[in-house]
Amino acid sequence: QQQVKQSPQSLIVQKGGISIINCAYENTAFDYFPWYQQFPGKGPALLIAIRPDVSEKKEGRFTISFNKSAKQFSLHIMDSQPGDSATYFCAAPRSGNKLVFGAGTILRVKS
Amino acid sequence: NAGVTQTPKFQVLKTGQSMTLQCAQDMNHNSMYWYRQDPGMGLRLIYYSASEGTTDKGEVPNGYNVSRLNKREFSLRLESAAPSQTSVYFCASRDREVTGTGELFFGEGSRLTVL
Repeated sequence: QQQVKQSPQSLIVQKGGISIINCAYENTAFDYFPWYQQFPGKGPALLIAIRPDVSEKKEGRFTISFNKSAKQFSLHIMDSQPGDSATYFCAAPRSGNKLVFGAGTILRVKS
Repeated sequence: NAGVTQTPKFQVLKTGQSMTLQCAQDMNHNSMYWYRQDPGMGLRLIYYSASEGTTDKGEVPNGYNVSRLNKREFSLRLESAAPSQTSVYFCASRDREVTGTGELFFGEGSRLTVL
């Protein structure tokens, strides 16, 4: 039962381009929508997160856009760099202190 | 500051064997989690422990047991390993009161192969 739908599964972007990853969630008890970044052989690490009372949050080249009415949020990576090549996961909270993750997007930035 | 430490990093088992994955965190977090990661499936929650003395099932608990030994340690046990349990296992912890956020801190993973 997939409660967080993430797309695309994989993405190839030229250096300097914009990477966009989307996430749709179902009804959840929510107060926090994070994106995690994972490099090969490592555990995921928090990249950026947004609260549902704001529509956009920017940290450097990374931006989350949040659409509460559509139950969607997306990650934009501006000026994508080869070092951004990684797997990205969106997540949404569930009741009982749980976090449910999307299936992941493998991003490759070509130099 | 080590964060979340998992052992072992790699393990090969035969079908039917048992083993325990160990996890310890030194951040004084109340909540701890076990996830498994499979290609195309993302991270799926196996079990979690909201606080010392409590454990609860996640999305895929069948074939696993857990023990919250104390506030620092949370172990995952496979009683009779099956090939379907071949995966990368991640332990994580978090505590909103400690960090001010809901951020999950992950270990580096334990890669398990069941033959």
